[in-house]
Amino acid sequence: GENVEQHPSTLSVQEGDSAVIKCTYSDSASNYFPWYKQELGKGPQLIIDIRSNVGEKKDQRIAVTLNKTAKHFSLHITETQPEDSAVYFCAASRDRAGGTSYGKLTFGQGTILTVHP
Amino acid sequence: GAVVSQHPSWVICKSGTSVKIECRSLDFQATTMFWYRQFPKQSLMLMATSNEGSKATYEQGVEKDKFLINHASLTLSTLTVTSAHPEDSSFYICSAALGTGNTIYFGEGSWLTVV
Repeated sequence: GENVEQHPSTLSVQEGDSAVIKCTYSDSASNYFPWYKQELGKGPQLIIDIRSNVGEKKDQRIAVTLNKTAKHFSLHITETQPEDSAVYFCAASRDRAGGTSYGKLTFGQGTILTVHP
Repeated sequence: GAVVSQHPSWVICKSGTSVKIECRSLDFQATTMFWYRQFPKQSLMLMATSNEGSKATYEQGVEKDKFLINHASLTLSTLTVTSAHPEDSSFYICSAALGTGNTIYFGEGSWLTVV
């Protein structure tokens, strides 16, 4: 099955700096890679996602890059703000063509991001 | 984004009793929903895949007779923890797949405390 490794486990930055979180995956059939932000006591919130036919995607201060050959993808947050502090999870899954694995997300271990004012 | 609602947000129950948690997709139909369990400071662990109109598919190590899942309609899946024990205390989260792609949205989670 799929295995997703996420690094670092904790990340501390100053407000305004950039933050980068990296993930690697093992299943070359995975083709959907979402990133979730989870605040304390709440469910994960989808913040950005990328599919394997795209190398990079950006949404305001958040961007995700994907290297299919190396099987790794990264989350980039620019101009960080204190409200960006949360746990971030990467995940990987296959689409319907992947058969029974459709929609089954395999999560990374999570990164605790702390943005200091 | 799409909205997935869970109810209750938190529940306390006595050992030996059963408790039901509901997961609803509010503005879209979800043929597939997923139930996760999360321990403090850990990642999400998939418990089962819930398919509308059919039996749930459980992950290895998850007791299907203890964690009953029913997906009665395209907008509702329920998780019933039967004969709850303190070790079942956890944060339970559902998610739903949107459309024909595999974009997954999560509910707000339900805290279960068994005393």
